[in-house]
Amino acid sequence: AQSVTQLGSHVSVSEGALVLLRCNYSSSVPPYLFWYVQYPNQGLQLLLKYTSAATLVKGINGFEAEFKKSETSFHLTKPSAHMSDAAEYFCAVSLSNFGNEKLTFGTGTRLTIIP
Amino acid sequence: DSGVTQTPKHLITATGQRVTLRCSPRSGDLSVYWYQQSLDQGLQFLIQYYNGEERAKGNILERFSAQQFPDLHSELNLSSLELGDSALYFCASRPTGDRETGELFFGEGSRLTVL
Repeated sequence: AQSVTQLGSHVSVSEGALVLLRCNYSSSVPPYLFWYVQYPNQGLQLLLKYTSAATLVKGINGFEAEFKKSETSFHLTKPSAHMSDAAEYFCAVSLSNFGNEKLTFGTGTRLTIIP
Repeated sequence: DSGVTQTPKHLITATGQRVTLRCSPRSGDLSVYWYQQSLDQGLQFLIQYYNGEERAKGNILERFSAQQFPDLHSELNLSSLELGDSALYFCASRPTGDRETGELFFGEGSRLTVL
């Protein structure tokens, strides 16, 4: 079975500072990894995904994540935080890009941006 | 706009009652997933349908049931409601075949409050 662990349920950073949200995965086979963002009163929106191509993945809104197999990690970063980045972020893992595999989500990290 | 439509957006009901949540997937998506999001449980996978057939089951209570209709819309039925069933229920659809991207597209959710 696959799982993801998000370290830190709440993260606060100053506007303009580096954003780092941590995600570690557990999977018996090569995983497919995703980061989703949830703004208040909205559904989940895909930020980026890793599907066994390039290990450094660039997403929307200036976010990127690096797949590190040796560390079983897929941390999300953004060089300079913006007020509009305040949201909840979810890391998710799937065992397959094809077929009908479900996504297993982490518990989420709420990002607060300090003006 | 993800293209996934959920109704109703908000629902308030009493314990012991039954409700039906509806989901219309993105055009052409055959796969529909239901997730429950609550403060204490996070995002929990409930059930998945593919082209009308149940494909995977997660942490879905026996009081809950779902189905996917020939036009591909899906309904989640929640019965004998308890206070603890209060949550945000998300539907997601997934492209398959040559449109497969590995990601789920989420609706904005149906917020259920049980009083």
